[in-house]
Formats: sequence, C-alpha cells, structure tokens
Amino acid sequence: SQQGEEDPQALSIQEGENATMNCSYKTSINNLQWYRQNSGRGLVHLILIRSNEREKHSGRLRVTLDTSKKSSSLLITASRAADTASYFCATARTASKLTFGTGTRLQVTL
Amino acid sequence: DAGVIQSPRHEVTEMGQEVTLRCKPISGHNSLFWYRQTMMRGLELLIYFNNNVPIDDSGMPEDRFSAKMPNASFSTLKIQPSEPRDSAVYFCASSLAGIDYGYTFGSGTRLTVV
Repeated sequence: SQQGEEDPQALSIQEGENATMNCSYKTSINNLQWYRQNSGRGLVHLILIRSNEREKHSGRLRVTLDTSKKSSSLLITASRAADTASYFCATARTASKLTFGTGTRLQVTL
Repeated sequence: DAGVIQSPRHEVTEMGQEVTLRCKPISGHNSLFWYRQTMMRGLELLIYFNNNVPIDDSGMPEDRFSAKMPNASFSTLKIQPSEPRDSAVYFCASSLAGIDYGYTFGSGTRLTVV
C-alpha cells in the first residue's frame, strides 16, 4: 500500500520558474525522502529529512516537513529543462523500509 | 562504483515461462530491496533483505514469486510461472541498513509477459 500522496499529479512550468510539489502521508514516520525518476530510468535519491527537522536545503532544492500535518513539500528553484522528471516522496517508519508515494510529473519547458 | 546493476534490462517472455531477474548491489551495502512499478499501482515493495536474510516478504504477490540472496553481492527474483499481469518494471535497490540512509536504485528490468 502507498503511504504518500503527491500533489499535483502533474506540473508544467517554464525554465527559470520555481516548482513546488507536496506530499501527504498517513502514519508517523522516522524520516521522509524525495527521489527523482527520469523516464525509463531508476530512482535517484535527492534529499532526506528526519522527523525532528523542519527544513533542509541541498543546492536548488528545499524540503520542508510538517509532522503535525503529516505533509512535506519539495521546492526546486530556478528550474531547468533537465529537471523534467517524476518526483516521489518516500516515508520510513521502520529501519530500512521505505514506502513510496504516487509521484508528481514535472515538465520544464524552454 | 558502478552502482546497482540489474540484468536483463528488458525481458519478453511467454505466459507460463520462468523468469529470473538479477541484481548486484553496491559493495558494502547490506540492505537490498526489490520493487515493482506499474502505472496502476505505482512502486510496490516486494521483499527486502538485511545481511542476505529476507526480512519482509509481505509484498510478494503470490507463491509464483520467490527471491534469494545467496551472498552479499547477488540477488535474484524469480517468477514461475509468469503471467501477463506480472508485466512491469522491476527495480532492485540497495542501502546501508539503518533508518537514515537513502536507497540507490538500479536501472530496472522491464518485463513483458505475452
């Protein structure tokens, strides 16, 4: 069963704009992770935020976590065409085991 | 490091045939995961191993599916007999055991059962 639900399901923006994706989950977690998947490829780990953290940055990525609302957001600033991909949130409740959400398809146009 | 290596990349087989998917995890990683991805159900965890021992196989859909990890550098996922509804992309991922590590995924095996 899927723990996370991403919103929106699809997002289309122009290069240079910011992209925001949201993830909601149902149960308590130890950490939440974001992954990117390019078409026909495996998933690539982007960033991990622990349950006691509220915000984390990595390059052009900014992740927030609100455990009271059971939600997270991923912000990609100054998007590029190469950011076109599907983005998944994944939650960890127990050691090692991740449950993935449904994904957001991001299209960045020139 | 070459990353997680899966083979084959593509597999087309007839219904009823046995299918074996292979995975070589990253050296030093002691957790290995098999996922299945379809449009309808998204990413589903089938089974995972810690230190070569199966920990949770509750996601394995039926007895037709089996997975082994005979050593730290190799795992197989076998489907016997295969059915058209098994068509999907199967991913292997590895990680360090523990709560605060991300996964490294392979490129996947696209299985088509006709």
